[in-house]
Amino acid sequence: GQNIDQPTEMTATEGAIVQINCTYQTSGFNGLFWYQQHAGEAPTFLSYNVLDGLEEKGRFSSFLSRSKGYSYLLLKELQMKDSASYLCAVRDSNYQLIWGAGTKLIIKP
Amino acid sequence: IAGITQAPTSQILAAGRRMTLRCTQDMRHNAMYWYRQDLGLGLRLIHYSNTAGTTGKGEVPDGYSVSRANTDDFPLTLASAVPSQTSVYFCASSDSGDADEQFFGPGTRLTVL
Repeated sequence: GQNIDQPTEMTATEGAIVQINCTYQTSGFNGLFWYQQHAGEAPTFLSYNVLDGLEEKGRFSSFLSRSKGYSYLLLKELQMKDSASYLCAVRDSNYQLIWGAGTKLIIKP
Repeated sequence: IAGITQAPTSQILAAGRRMTLRCTQDMRHNAMYWYRQDLGLGLRLIHYSNTAGTTGKGEVPDGYSVSRANTDDFPLTLASAVPSQTSVYFCASSDSGDADEQFFGPGTRLTVL
C-alpha cells in the first residue's frame, strides 16, 4: 500500500527553527510537495522537490532524499502566522498526489 | 472570479437526499480534482478530470459522480447522501494532468444527518 507519515503535532517558539519530517512509501515517485493549511482554510502550495537535495525559498526550505523515502520542511525565524498544518504529498506513478495526514504546528510566543 | 470558487460554503443534508457541490475555476486549467478531508486523515481523491470531457476515479469514488462538460466547471454529485459522507470537500485545479502545483477552492463543509 501507499503510505505517507508525518508527526501529528509539533510545538515551537516564535523566532526559532523547526523541522517537519515526512517519510513515504509509494508506488513510484514523481515529486514531493509541501502545502500549508491554516485552520478552516484551503491548502496552499509551499514547495516542490523532485531531485535530491535542498530547495530554499525565503524562510522555508525543503529537503528530499529519494533513496531514503524522506523529506523535511525547515521553517526559520518562526512567526505566529506560521501556526498551521503542513501537508506532505507525493506524486505517484499514476501522477496522482498521495497525501499525508498533516502536521499541526503550534507557535508559542 | 479569481481562482477557484465552490458552492455552497456549507450544507446540512438529510440522509438519502441528492446533493451537487459546485466548483468553477477561471484559470483555464486542464486538470481538476475533488478531495475530501476528514480529521486525522490526509486529503483523499474522489474523482479527477485531466481535461474537459474526461473523468477518472480516485481513491474513494463510491457514492459520488462527476462530470466535466467544459474547462471551467467540475460539479460533484452525491446521488443518495449517507452520514459517512460528512466531510469537508475541496475542489482543486492544476495546469496539466500531470498533477502540477494544485490550486484549491475554499471548500464545502457538508454534514449528512
